[in-house]
Amino acid sequence: QSALTQPPSASGSPGQSVTISCTGTSSDVGNYNYVSWYQQHPGKAPKLIIYEVNKRPSGVPDRFSGSKSGSTASLTVSGLQADDEADYYCSSYAGRNNVFGTGTKVTVL
Amino acid sequence: QVQLVQSGAEVKKPGSSVKVSCKVSGGTLSSYVINWVRQAPGQGLEWMGGSIPFFGTPNYAQSFHGRVTLTADRSTNRAYMEFRSLRSEDTAVYYCAISNTEYDSCFHTWGQGTLVAVSS
Repeated sequence: QSALTQPPSASGSPGQSVTISCTGTSSDVGNYNYVSWYQQHPGKAPKLIIYEVNKRPSGVPDRFSGSKSGSTASLTVSGLQADDEADYYCSSYAGRNNVFGTGTKVTVL
Repeated sequence: QVQLVQSGAEVKKPGSSVKVSCKVSGGTLSSYVINWVRQAPGQGLEWMGGSIPFFGTPNYAQSFHGRVTLTADRSTNRAYMEFRSLRSEDTAVYYCAISNTEYDSCFHTWGQGTLVAVSS
């Protein structure tokens, strides 16, 4: 199972929005609405911020939103804040497997 | 609120094995799917496998099949990941993470991670 494809980096100024893509295949993202997104700060464990494509766990700000079209899922972070600077990973169910994305480093300029 | 606490860092020789534990607090081990995810230095996340302790057969990622075994101990509320035939490229932080089902790819609670360093 190959990793889902994410852009290596993305950036934006405070207050702006950034969108990260996560491209899979018809065996994973394209076939299941079980796509999640995680935020990871350096030296810390990942934190779930989106699940089932567009649902937010309790406590996650609505500045974080998710969507999916075909085999590509997307995460949008609106109103960028300094603390949003982190690595972001998508994941998808892939039929008795789970696969993560390659990761995107978001920089707040 | 369920929490996961993992065992401490390990240094291993190539060819040896390591067994990392993950203690579940605030919940019952068999109520969740316990997944294992690794992250090599400077690299991304990689799902290794997952199981519902004491029920059914664990699912393993193909790249780890045959080298990894997932088990659990009801008396200590701990899940274990044993990794055999270690190589230098297995040096990584290993996380346990909980999902509610085996098919939702929703890892909502994570342990703090266990660094396993493989070096001669």
